[in-house]
Amino acid sequence: AQKVTQAQTEISVVEKEDVTLDCVYETRDTTYYLFWYKQPPSGELVFLIRRNSFDEQNEISGRYSWNFQKSTSSFNFTITASQVVDSAVYFCALSEAKSGNTPLVFGKGTRLSVIA
Amino acid sequence: GAGVSQSPSNKVTEKGKDVELRCDPISGHTALYWYRQRLGQGLEFLIYFQGNSAPDKSGLPSDRFSAERTGESVSTLTIQRTQQEDSAVYLCASSKRTGEGEQYFGPGTRLTVT
Repeated sequence: AQKVTQAQTEISVVEKEDVTLDCVYETRDTTYYLFWYKQPPSGELVFLIRRNSFDEQNEISGRYSWNFQKSTSSFNFTITASQVVDSAVYFCALSEAKSGNTPLVFGKGTRLSVIA
Repeated sequence: GAGVSQSPSNKVTEKGKDVELRCDPISGHTALYWYRQRLGQGLEFLIYFQGNSAPDKSGLPSDRFSAERTGESVSTLTIQRTQQEDSAVYLCASSKRTGEGEQYFGPGTRLTVT
């Protein structure tokens, strides 16, 4: 069975601090996808990144970066120089890679509060 | 282009009544998903439609829940004889057939059962 664990329920940081959100996953599949979504107070989930299990390269997009390590089954998300607009609930998710369209298994989310 | 839309945005109903929630996926997206998000929780998968294939209903919590989809367009999630534990946000997502699992979510319907 697939499982995603986000051990940090809530994190609070002061603006401009860096923050890392942890994600640990379990799967028996050899091919899978990992995702991060952002859910701002408005409630709508916003796609941030998708990572194929064969691609362990870290990725950077502006202030966001992701560290994928198969050896520890982790897919951590770092926000550099956090801003108040980063305040949201962040979800890590996992899906099988069967034809690319399978339901996502979500973690319970980490609520990030960035204080000005 | 237009994103995934859902209606109503909010629904308050009395325990025991039936409710219907609607989802309009992004045009051209053949896969459609329903998830449930209870307060402070992650998303739970309910049901998944892919083109004309039989839907994957493995996430439906009880036989009070059902969903239909017309071709590759609108979907309706029906909850019969609602219970208070059905109170949650119901989220719909869609993705392309050839997409690598990238799902786009609607704003959700907040259901409150009193």
